[in-house]
Amino acid sequence: DAKTTQPNSMESNEEEPVHLPCNHSTISGTDYIHWYRQLPSQGPEYVIHGLTSNVNNRMASLAIAEDRKSSTLILHRATLRDAAVYYCILGSSGGYNKLIFGAGTRLAVHP
Amino acid sequence: DTGVSQDPRHKITKRGQNVTFRCDPISEHNRLYWYRQTLGQGPEFLTYFQNEAQLEKSRLLSDRFSAERPKGSFSTLEIQRTEQGDSAMYLCASSFQGQISGNTIYFGEGSWLTVV
Repeated sequence: DAKTTQPNSMESNEEEPVHLPCNHSTISGTDYIHWYRQLPSQGPEYVIHGLTSNVNNRMASLAIAEDRKSSTLILHRATLRDAAVYYCILGSSGGYNKLIFGAGTRLAVHP
Repeated sequence: DTGVSQDPRHKITKRGQNVTFRCDPISEHNRLYWYRQTLGQGPEFLTYFQNEAQLEKSRLLSDRFSAERPKGSFSTLEIQRTEQGDSAMYLCASSFQGQISGNTIYFGEGSWLTVV
């Protein structure tokens, strides 16, 4: 399984944008880039995913590098409720897409 | 549409006892996964079902662990002769085969197990 590398922790202020980086230099052509987040004492929650093109949804935006070896999750205006562990995960479009979680990035949001 | 439901949410048991967790996936989701998560770590994959068939088991799933999905709907995860090292949150997740892009997986709230 292809691996991802994320910073252990990041901090942000409320109402400011947050850019969470992820490196995945061994990504294969069929791997989707998934982002999940986990709030304290809850199960992981789907945030966004993409293959090649940048993606936007109501929660966040995903910017994917042209060579696909890195990506960035963008929270446009951080709120206190966005404080969570964010996981960047690669999953193949084939098979059953077993998600292999790393340690993720713990995001702290300050008022 | 209700999400993935897990029961019980919390369980405290004595070492050596058996425990069983139940998972009700999202309706019509034919794929079901179990994960385990300890404090400070990301979730670790345990096993996967497609309908009623258990298609993959992690090496983490020792002989004391057994999972079933008898009718392809709900699933149970049983731990026999619990040990203190089994203390963790057990997460169930489900997804629908047939999604073209990326097979989004939906997680339940988890079942916390404490073995004393």
